[in-house]
Amino acid sequence: QKEVEQDPGPLSVPEGAIVSLNCTYSNSAFQYFMWYRQYSRKGPELLMYTYSSGNKEDGRFTAQVDKSSKYISLFIRDSQPSDSATYLCAILHTGGGNKLTFGTGTQLKVEL
Amino acid sequence: DAGVTQSPTHLIKTRGQQVTLRCSPISGHKSVSWYQQVLGQGPQFIFQYYEKEERGRGNFPDRFSARQFPNYSSELNVNALLLGDSALYLCASSWRQADQPQHFGDGTRLSIL
Repeated sequence: QKEVEQDPGPLSVPEGAIVSLNCTYSNSAFQYFMWYRQYSRKGPELLMYTYSSGNKEDGRFTAQVDKSSKYISLFIRDSQPSDSATYLCAILHTGGGNKLTFGTGTQLKVEL
Repeated sequence: DAGVTQSPTHLIKTRGQQVTLRCSPISGHKSVSWYQQVLGQGPQFIFQYYEKEERGRGNFPDRFSARQFPNYSSELNVNALLLGDSALYLCASSWRQADQPQHFGDGTRLSIL
């Protein structure tokens, strides 16, 4: 079983839709949770960073963590064509280095 | 401020050769980590360096090595290249060793023929 599971998609939505992206993880010791956005031929760009259960909001983006279910989500409101990218969830280990464990990434396309 | 910069952006090598990839972290960041991203997959952790010492190592063979310089820049070396080493190699930096979000460069795309 992978430490972090993420549906690879692809996911196609119309402009203006609410997008829900999800990951599950297996290690209850994980404490820090991140979402990165990666455009084609670019490096991952940090979107959201949280360490506690609950919601964190930043503009059109909301990150949600449920530690009891080992489930993390990213919601995108009023999606735009410029949101078309691959979204990667990542979990930070703090023992033995600053290692990020990534999901496979979900490819999102927002269509006009 | 400049972000994480990596060089070169693209590289083509043949099997058995050796390659060196370079990374300059964000100014003030002392931790540098290296990741390998194969097409269609998420990045996989290779190494972390902090204050010029190795602080973490992923599940990669000894053909992979790295170092960090006094100015906190870093190099990743891969010897005896295999076809399976073809990937995007990403460098990430953060201010401290742990508990900090990491910021990535755009990577070096390595192709092995």
